[in-house]
Amino acid sequence: AQSVTQLDSQVPVFEEAPVELRCNYSSSVSVYLFWYVQYPNQGLQLLLKYLSGSTLVKGINGFEAEFNKSQTSFHLRKPSVHISDTAEYFCAVKGGSQGNLIFGKGTKLSVKP
Amino acid sequence: DGGITQSPKYLFRKEGQNVTLSCEQNLNHDAMYWYRQDPGQGLRLIYYSQIVNDFQKGDIAEGYSVSREKKESFPLTVTSAQKNPTAFYLCASGTGVDTQYFGPGTRLTVL
Repeated sequence: AQSVTQLDSQVPVFEEAPVELRCNYSSSVSVYLFWYVQYPNQGLQLLLKYLSGSTLVKGINGFEAEFNKSQTSFHLRKPSVHISDTAEYFCAVKGGSQGNLIFGKGTKLSVKP
Repeated sequence: DGGITQSPKYLFRKEGQNVTLSCEQNLNHDAMYWYRQDPGQGLRLIYYSQIVNDFQKGDIAEGYSVSREKKESFPLTVTSAQKNPTAFYLCASGTGVDTQYFGPGTRLTVL
C-alpha cells in the first residue's frame, strides 16, 4: 500500500526567502508524484507532476520538485517566495497508471512581509 | 471554457436529511472522483467512477452514495447514515491514467 508523509504541517517564511516543503512516500511499485496547491475555500490546482524522465520537474508559479527514488522523496522548492504563495500544499502519489491518488495531510505555507 | 463545476458552494443540512452535491465536467474525462477534506486530514477518497454506469467505493464510502448515468455528471448524496458529514467536498476528473483536475468544492455544514 502506498502512503505519503508531509513532514511539516506548517512552514512560516519571510517574503523573498527560499522555501522547501518536504514529502516522502512509500510504495512497492513505480509511482507518479504530484504537488497541488489550495488557496482558502477553493479547489486544488496542479503545481507540477513527475511521471517519468528527468527527476527535476518544473511547475507553475516558479516552483520545482526533485524526485529522489533512493530516498523516496519528492520535495517542493521555490528560490524566492511571494506573499501570494501563502496557501496549503498537498503532495500526492499514484501507484502507476492504475492506482488511486493518495494524499499527504498538507503543509500550510505562510509567507510574511 | 472547459472545467469542473460544483454546486452549491455552501450547503446546510439538518440532521436526518439526505443532500445531493452536484459535480459536472466538460473536459471529456472518463474518470471522476469524490473526496472529503477535513482540517489537517488531507483528502480522503469517497467514491470513484472510471466509466459511465460503473463506480467503486473509496476509503470512506459509508454513508454516501453516487450515480454515474452520464459521462459529464457524478452527483454525490450524503445520507442520514453519515454521522459526521460536516466537511469540504471536492470533485475531480481525469483520464484515469495520471492527473486529476479539481472543482472548486462544496462546503457542507450540518445544523
